[in-house]
Amino acid sequence: EDQVTQSPEALRLQEGESSSLNCSYTVSGLRGLFWYRQDPGKGPEFLFTLYSAGEEKEKERLKATLTKKESFLHITAPKPEDSATYLCAVNSRDYKLTFGKGTLLTVNP
Amino acid sequence: DGGITQSPKYLFRKEGQNVTLSCEQNLNHDAMYWYRQDPGQGLRLIYYSQIVNDFQKGDIAEGYSVSREKKESFPLTVTSAQKNPTAFYLCASSIGDRGTEAFFGQGTRLTVV
Repeated sequence: EDQVTQSPEALRLQEGESSSLNCSYTVSGLRGLFWYRQDPGKGPEFLFTLYSAGEEKEKERLKATLTKKESFLHITAPKPEDSATYLCAVNSRDYKLTFGKGTLLTVNP
Repeated sequence: DGGITQSPKYLFRKEGQNVTLSCEQNLNHDAMYWYRQDPGQGLRLIYYSQIVNDFQKGDIAEGYSVSREKKESFPLTVTSAQKNPTAFYLCASSIGDRGTEAFFGQGTRLTVV
C-alpha cells in the first residue's frame, strides 16, 4: 500500500525566511509525485509533477525536488500570499492518487 | 474556460436523508475521482472512474454511491448509511494515464443537521 508522510505538520516563517517542506513516500513503482497548494475552503491547486529521482521543477518562489525516497518543496524568500496548505501525492501501480496530510504554511509580514 | 464544476458549494442534510453532490468537467478527461477531506486527515479516496459506465471503490466507499453515465459527469450520492457524512467533498479529473496529475473542483461542504 502506498504511503505518504509530510513534515512538518505546520510551519511558521517570517517574510523572506526561506525553508523546505518534506514529503516522504513508500510506493511500489513510482509513476509520479505531485505537489498541490490548497487555500482554506478551496480545492487543491496543481503545482508540480515529478517523475524520476534528480528531477527538479520551479515556479516563482517554489522549487520541487525528488529523490528515491522523498521530495522537497523549497520556498525561497516567501511572501504572506504563499500562506496555504501544501499537499503531496503519489501515483504508482493503479490510477488513484494517495495524499499526505499536508503542511500548513504561515508566512508573517 | 475549461474546468471542473462542483455544486452546490454548501449543502445541509437532515439525518437519514440521501443527498447527491454534482461534479461536471469540460476538460475531456477520461478519469474522475471523489475525495473526502476532514481536518487532520488529508484527502481520502471514495470512488474513481477511468471510463464511462465503469467505476471502482476507493479506500472509504461505504455509505456512498456513484454513477458515470456520461464522460463529463460523476455525481456522488451520500446515503443514510454513511455514519459520519459531515465533511468537505472534492471532485477531480485527469486524462487517465498513470502518472498524470489530477485537477480539482472547488469542493462541496456537506453538513448534517
